[in-house]
Amino acid sequence: QSALTQPASVSGSPGQSITISCTGTSSDVGDYNLVSWYQQHPGKVPKLIIFEVTKRPSGVSSRFSGSKSGNTASLTISGLQAEDEADYYCFSYAGYSTLVFGGGTKLTVL
Amino acid sequence: QVHLVESGGGLVTPGGSLRLSCAASGFVFNDYYMIWIRQAPGKGLEWVSHISTRGSDSNYAGSVKGRFTISRDNAKNSLYLQMNNLRAEDTAVYYCARIITGIQMSYAMDVWGPGTTVTVSS
Repeated sequence: QSALTQPASVSGSPGQSITISCTGTSSDVGDYNLVSWYQQHPGKVPKLIIFEVTKRPSGVSSRFSGSKSGNTASLTISGLQAEDEADYYCFSYAGYSTLVFGGGTKLTVL
Repeated sequence: QVHLVESGGGLVTPGGSLRLSCAASGFVFNDYYMIWIRQAPGKGLEWVSHISTRGSDSNYAGSVKGRFTISRDNAKNSLYLQMNNLRAEDTAVYYCARIITGIQMSYAMDVWGPGTTVTVSS
């Protein structure tokens, strides 16, 4: 199972919006609405921020939103804040009870 | 309060074995699928294995299949990962996590333990 493809890095200024893409195939991202996103600050435990493509867990800021088109899922962070600087990972069900992460994206807030 | 705490990590020589444990508290353990995820130093997250609520169904990443065994003891609110024939590339922080489990599986992890470090080196 190949990892989902994410950009290695993205950046944005405070207040701006950024989007992180997560590209898979018709066998994973494209075939199931089971994409989730995780935020991981350095040295910290990953935190769930989006599940089932668009749903936000209780307590997660509404500045985080998810979407999907075809084989690509996306995470958008609006009103960028310094505390958003972290690594972000997508994760998807890939059929036959297998799961796959994206390679991760480092977000830098300029 | 919902908690997961891993234990059992350490230094092991190549070819050796290790058993990780994950103690759960604050929720009805046997209502949830559980999962092990690892992160090699400086690298991304990697799915290792996950198990159904009763332990009757388990699945593995290709990189560990045949070497690792996931299990659970619902009476003890505990999840385990038996790791055999360890390789240098198994060196990582190992996290246990809870999968959001409902009528439909979400395959999303909403609660994570702090992780336990496994180092495979001679």
